[in-house]
Amino acid sequence: DAGVIQSPRHEVTEMGQEVTLRCKPISGHNSLFWYRQTMMRGLELLIYFNNNVPIDDSGMPEDRFSAKMPNASFSTLKIQPSEPRDSAVYFCASSLLLRVGGVGGPTYNEQFFGPGTRLTVL
Amino acid sequence: SQQGEEDPQALSIQEGENATMNCSYKTSINNLQWYRQNSGRGLVHLILIRSNEREKHSGRLRVTLDTSKKSSSLLITASRAADTASYFCATMNSGYSTLTFGKGTMLLVSP
Repeated sequence: DAGVIQSPRHEVTEMGQEVTLRCKPISGHNSLFWYRQTMMRGLELLIYFNNNVPIDDSGMPEDRFSAKMPNASFSTLKIQPSEPRDSAVYFCASSLLLRVGGVGGPTYNEQFFGPGTRLTVL
Repeated sequence: SQQGEEDPQALSIQEGENATMNCSYKTSINNLQWYRQNSGRGLVHLILIRSNEREKHSGRLRVTLDTSKKSSSLLITASRAADTASYFCATMNSGYSTLTFGKGTMLLVSP
């Protein structure tokens, strides 16, 4: 298994430009997560999808950020227009959401992370 | 907001010594997970402990969970230089399907 694949690995762009980050989750996983990591704020959850449907995007900083998951094997995170404060490492993670014991039962989901995209906005 | 808070922020030890990292959290959890991150890489899952478990082992790793104190500890025994990395605890709150990560402990193991 190739694991979670992200592209590009590095992106340097100028303020105001559109940036698109891509993610291919592990085959068979039904949940996908986008995180942002900075020294100041640590690892922040931006948005997550279950079965390709966005469930919670409350972590998306502002309207400049958008994410899509058109199918089970692909997701994008877009920033338009980009700003210097968006500089960070963006991680995609996928997992298999399990529910034990029926509705209301506990869920256990180990997350598998991609290598990340290091974004620098000048 | 950060749910898990690791302590210490940084830890420096010699090879062969044990390393203990702690994590505190604030709300009820479904499970708690520990992850490792090497510099410039993504996070790698190490171990998961459920809210009804008190201790779990995996190789040189031992995790404890005290739900009454809302705290967990990760012990790495007989550390190696290759254990040098940042270690994060992540909590899954009851009723949710997402993880909330702490800011991590940076572990440096010197040969």
